[in-house]
Amino acid sequence: GIQVEQSPPDLILQEGANSTLRCNFSDSVNNLQWFHQNPWGQLINLFYIPSGTKQNGRLSATTVATERYSLLYISSSQSTDSGVYFCAVVYSGNTPLVFGKGTRLSVIA
Amino acid sequence: DAGVIQSPRHEVTEMGQEVTLRCKPISGHNSLFWYRQTMMRGLELLIYFNNNVPIDDSGMPEDRFSAKMPNASFSTLKIQPSEPRDSAVYFCASRLTGDNEQFFGPGTRLTVL
Repeated sequence: GIQVEQSPPDLILQEGANSTLRCNFSDSVNNLQWFHQNPWGQLINLFYIPSGTKQNGRLSATTVATERYSLLYISSSQSTDSGVYFCAVVYSGNTPLVFGKGTRLSVIA
Repeated sequence: DAGVIQSPRHEVTEMGQEVTLRCKPISGHNSLFWYRQTMMRGLELLIYFNNNVPIDDSGMPEDRFSAKMPNASFSTLKIQPSEPRDSAVYFCASRLTGDNEQFFGPGTRLTVL
């Protein structure tokens, strides 16, 4: 069946540390997004990245569509980076996003 | 653009009451999604519309839940009668098509006492 797997499920970082979050998907996709759900519950768009590499400040993402994975890099982590990071994909047509279970990140001082 | 707009942001009601959640998608978007998020079950898709037409409501938990999209700029999710287990955060989201970016609203936090 359709699978989106994220790893690690939980991550604790010291402020200033770097991290890489991974998203594996089981088929070709025409949409891949990374979201951050902050501690207040808001779902924030980070990247729309079905292929290639993008950067936004301390965050960057790379999707290798042929190998069916995407990576989210967080550099120089800050407390505001805490929350849950979701990867979600659309496998075909105008179907809904399929979400992974998320990576819960805690950044501590 | 104002983004996806949801109202109310918080709702506290008593068991048995009717609850109506509202959503205004981003102008020009053709697809609208309703999700529910709880600690136990995570983020669940309840129903989605393409061009105002309900496509898949298999995620709607039971007949107490109903959703409508009378026009391209407005959708409602109704729970009648509400039960304590309906307490959750309900998100609305919209996008243009499947290969376009999807955006979420701020959510409605529903508490049923």
